[in-house]
Amino acid sequence: KQEVTQIPAALSVPEGENLVLNCSFTDSAIYNLQWFRQDPGKGLTSLLLIQSSQREQTSGRLNASLDKSSGRSTLYIAASQPGDSATYLCAVKTSYDKVIFGPGTSLSVIP
Amino acid sequence: EAGVAQSPRYKIIEKRQSVAFWCNPISGHATLYWYQQILGQGPKLLIQFQNNGVVDDSQLPKDRFSAERLKGVDSTLKIQPAKLEDSAVYLCASSLDLGEIPEQYFGPGTRLTVT
Repeated sequence: KQEVTQIPAALSVPEGENLVLNCSFTDSAIYNLQWFRQDPGKGLTSLLLIQSSQREQTSGRLNASLDKSSGRSTLYIAASQPGDSATYLCAVKTSYDKVIFGPGTSLSVIP
Repeated sequence: EAGVAQSPRYKIIEKRQSVAFWCNPISGHATLYWYQQILGQGPKLLIQFQNNGVVDDSQLPKDRFSAERLKGVDSTLKIQPAKLEDSAVYLCASSLDLGEIPEQYFGPGTRLTVT
């Protein structure tokens, strides 16, 4: 059974810092991994999607990496801003066409 | 391009009452998902439709939850009767198809409080 975990559960950093969020999954047989952002009281916004054959994806200040063999993905945020404050979730699509989410990391960027 | 629409945005009911949520996916998206997100947790898939057929409903509590997607477009999720533990945000998402790159687009969710 695929399980997805995220560490840390919460993170508080001063503005301008670079930071890394971690996502781990137990079954390496995945089709893709997607990082989302969720603002309080709102739905999820897709940030980056990494196909199983890819190692990383970049969008602006965000870079996501995928290491299937070790069951890990990281989301790197460069030069963090207060507007980056949100909950970040990762989700894997398994070989059985199921999408399983992690519990999320709550990020606070302090001005 | 219009996003995924959901209504209502908020709903408060008493336990044992019934409630229904509505979702209108992005035009042309064949796959529609309903998720339950309990406070502090990631979303949990309840049911997944491909057009108007059910692909996965293994985590749907079928004794009280039901969902339909008539004509392969809009969908409704119903809870009857509601329990206190059903308090959560119910998210609807859609994607173009079930292929390897099914990027999901989410609606704003419906926050349900059962008292």
